[in-house]
Amino acid sequence: AIQLTQSPSSLSASVGDRVTITCRASQGIGSALAWYQQKPGKAPKVLIYDASSLESGVPSRFSGSGSGTDFTLTISSLQPEDFATYYCQQFNSYPSYSFGQGTKLEIK
Amino acid sequence: QVQLVESGGGVVQPGRSLRLSCAASGFIFSSYAMHWVRQAPGKGLEWVAAISYDGNNKYYVDSVKGRFTISRDNSKNTLYLQMNSLRAEDTAVYYCARDLIWGQGTMVTVSS
Repeated sequence: AIQLTQSPSSLSASVGDRVTITCRASQGIGSALAWYQQKPGKAPKVLIYDASSLESGVPSRFSGSGSGTDFTLTISSLQPEDFATYYCQQFNSYPSYSFGQGTKLEIK
Repeated sequence: QVQLVESGGGVVQPGRSLRLSCAASGFIFSSYAMHWVRQAPGKGLEWVAAISYDGNNKYYVDSVKGRFTISRDNSKNTLYLQMNSLRAEDTAVYYCARDLIWGQGTMVTVSS
């Protein structure tokens, strides 16, 4: 099974900061990776799919990059509503579409 | 629009059973594989089970094999998860998902 390792597990940042979260796969997955944002009590919301494609309606301050085993999610200028937990998910290995362990983004 | 709505969660004693449902709308349900994903309180996301578009192939995470059964009724656009022999560690919010699209989740609490 493909394992995804996110780093960091938690992160403190300020409004306006540029933030990068990484996701490393245990084997190559091409570009079959998505990023989600989850707020307390809510379902995950997709931000990025196919590693770098921005989901419709998602602000352009979110971007994704990478392929193979190393991926990043970047938020160019943090806004108050961005403080949440972020997850990566791989779609290369059907049917077990495994997740990273999550990165909690907190206000500094 | 595409929508997934889960139901059937609740509080159940260890060893008992529960069946979750997921009503799909806004897309051709019978054309897509479907998944169940869960999230224990304060924890991360865990893929639980998947079923092929036609229901002929089913897959499970090791921790639920032999206890949970995923099924679907394409005539009713509905996905199911039959959960038997429930354990405390099955306590979680259960989401149904189609690729990147998720329902709102239903809470299952296993407690005496």
